[in-house]
Amino acid sequence: AQSVSQHNHHVILSEAASLELGCNYSYGGTVNLFWYVQYPGQHLQLLLKYFSGDPLVKGIKGFEAEFIKSKFSFNLRKPSVQWSDTAEYFCAVSGGFKTIFGAGTRLFVKA
Amino acid sequence: DTEVTQTPKHLVMGMTNKKSLKCEQHMGHRAMYWYKQKAKKPPELMFVYSYEKLSINESVPSRFSPECPNSSLLNLHLHALQPEDSALYLCASSQPPNRGEQYFGPGTRLTVT
Repeated sequence: AQSVSQHNHHVILSEAASLELGCNYSYGGTVNLFWYVQYPGQHLQLLLKYFSGDPLVKGIKGFEAEFIKSKFSFNLRKPSVQWSDTAEYFCAVSGGFKTIFGAGTRLFVKA
Repeated sequence: DTEVTQTPKHLVMGMTNKKSLKCEQHMGHRAMYWYKQKAKKPPELMFVYSYEKLSINESVPSRFSPECPNSSLLNLHLHALQPEDSALYLCASSQPPNRGEQYFGPGTRLTVT
């Protein structure tokens, strides 16, 4: 069965701290991987995506993610978080028209 | 224009009411989606339309009835809902063949009383 697992449900960091959010997936076949972000009061936005090629992908606002095929992982990273990064982050896997979202990680960045 | 719009923003309805949610996009996308999102949960896929034809119905109860009048519009007709149907309903669109990169609207917050 297809599934996406996010390891951390709640993360609290101070500004300038480094961030890594874990994501593991289970999916048969070719996968497309995503991180979406939902800022407070705003709609879901695409943060970054991986289809193929370089396993290290860069997204908006200084975020990056690394696809490790052998570990079925797609972890999100940012070297130095800002207060404005406070949001909920969803890892997602898609095949065809179906996208499966992880449970989400709520990040709170203390100023 | 990379915007997906949804109306209304909020809707309160009784269990015997009939109402509709509307979604519109002008990005030329030919796939459109309805998701349901409960509080503190991820979005759950309900329906997918591709080229105005229903492609996926994730075993959604018949009290939810989707409609795609044209490539820019997507409706969700609601009838005889239950209180547990209260949630945020999200619309999204993409350019098929979909690789998952979807553009989401702000959602309609539905409360069933």
